Amino acid sequence: GAGVSQSPSNKVTEKGKDVELRCDPISGHTALYWYRQSLGQGLEFLIYFQGNSAPDKSGLPSDRFSAERTGGSVSTLTIQRTQQEDSAVYLCASSLDRFSYNEQFFGPGTRLTVL
Amino acid sequence: TQLLEQSPQFLSIQEGENLTVYCNSSSVFSSLQWYRQEPGEGPVLLVTVVTGGEVKKLKRLTFQFGDARKDSSLHITAAQPGDTGLYLCAGEEYGNKLVFGAGTILRVKS
Repeated sequence: GAGVSQSPSNKVTEKGKDVELRCDPISGHTALYWYRQSLGQGLEFLIYFQGNSAPDKSGLPSDRFSAERTGGSVSTLTIQRTQQEDSAVYLCASSLDRFSYNEQFFGPGTRLTVL
Repeated sequence: TQLLEQSPQFLSIQEGENLTVYCNSSSVFSSLQWYRQEPGEGPVLLVTVVTGGEVKKLKRLTFQFGDARKDSSLHITAAQPGDTGLYLCAGEEYGNKLVFGAGTILRVKS
């Protein structure tokens, strides 16, 4: 079956513009996670969804970042008024549910460059 | 949020050598996972360790979880060029939320 897909794979934008990043999780996976990976760094947790609700938004860096998930499937991460420090690879992962030890399957990421 | 310190940050070794990567925290995690990531791809899970003192082997890779569930190590025997990549440890918090270390870039030269 298909894995986690993300689009676009690369996004170059100008400072101040808004961007939307999309994640298609594995079918049937109820939990969905967004992470950010800066060059030479590990992954930074942003937000996770169980179904359509987001119990934990604690990792969102500022109110310019928001995310939604509809139909328990596709998720969109939106960054408003992008800044240069937002440049990073944004990774999405899904797992069967949010309970312990469930493997998270990662997408290939979206590389965001803010000029 | 708990922190995970991973070391070394970078390793460059010759084919056939052994190596160990360490992952340490002052906090206890319910489980600890090791991932491998190649350029342009997302991380792929190698192993999950759950019990303090647990040792798991995956071919030439040996993973150990500390007795107190605060630290872990990854040992690779007779490294091969195909082992080259970024190795990440991740501790599990509530809700299957993962806290990642900064990663170890491994380069194995033939």
